[in-house]
Amino acid sequence: ILNVEQSPQSLHVQEGDSTNFTCSFPSSNFYALHWYRWETAKSPEALFVMTLNGDEKKKGRISATLNTKEGYSYLYIKGSQPEDSATYLCAYPGGNTPLVFGKGTRLSVIA
Amino acid sequence: DTEVTQTPKHLVMGMTNKKSLKCEQHMGHRAMYWYKQKAKKPPELMFVYSYEKLSINESVPSRFSPECPNSSLLNLHLHALQPEDSALYLCASSQETGEAYGYTFGSGTRLTVV
Repeated sequence: ILNVEQSPQSLHVQEGDSTNFTCSFPSSNFYALHWYRWETAKSPEALFVMTLNGDEKKKGRISATLNTKEGYSYLYIKGSQPEDSATYLCAYPGGNTPLVFGKGTRLSVIA
Repeated sequence: DTEVTQTPKHLVMGMTNKKSLKCEQHMGHRAMYWYKQKAKKPPELMFVYSYEKLSINESVPSRFSPECPNSSLLNLHLHALQPEDSALYLCASSQETGEAYGYTFGSGTRLTVV
């Protein structure tokens, strides 16, 4: 059974603060690592699909890094805004299996 | 069209009812998924269809019956459910089943079994 861990479980930051959270996954036989943003009452939205060790991807104020050798990925948000409030999920596919999701980090940005 | 559409958004059903959840996408994706999500837990995989054929069934009870009538539609037929089956049911699709393909999710059906 694949184990995908995310921390922290929840996070409250002030508007304008930068923040980051972690996803840990099995470091053997790496395939890919996905990040999704899930706002309340909406669909989970794909942010990044990362496949290479050392990869860094960026989308606006959000970026992610990947370390496949030690089995972790960081998601960074620069200058958090209230609209960034959401649950951020990472997901890991094991070979030919579909995505296994972590429990998510629930981010609240306070204006 | 870049969306996955799920209907209904909310459903309340009795334990003796039969109902169906529907999922539709027109992105030409050949893989479609059903996930179940309970409060404060991650989405859990139920079924995967690849090229309209069931490829994965994660030991889901037979009271849940998936169906893929064509490449754009995915149904989940429900019969004799239990209160513990109350959850958010999410449909997703991806171009193929490979690990590098991102998923497009619907907004889910919130099911309550009474």
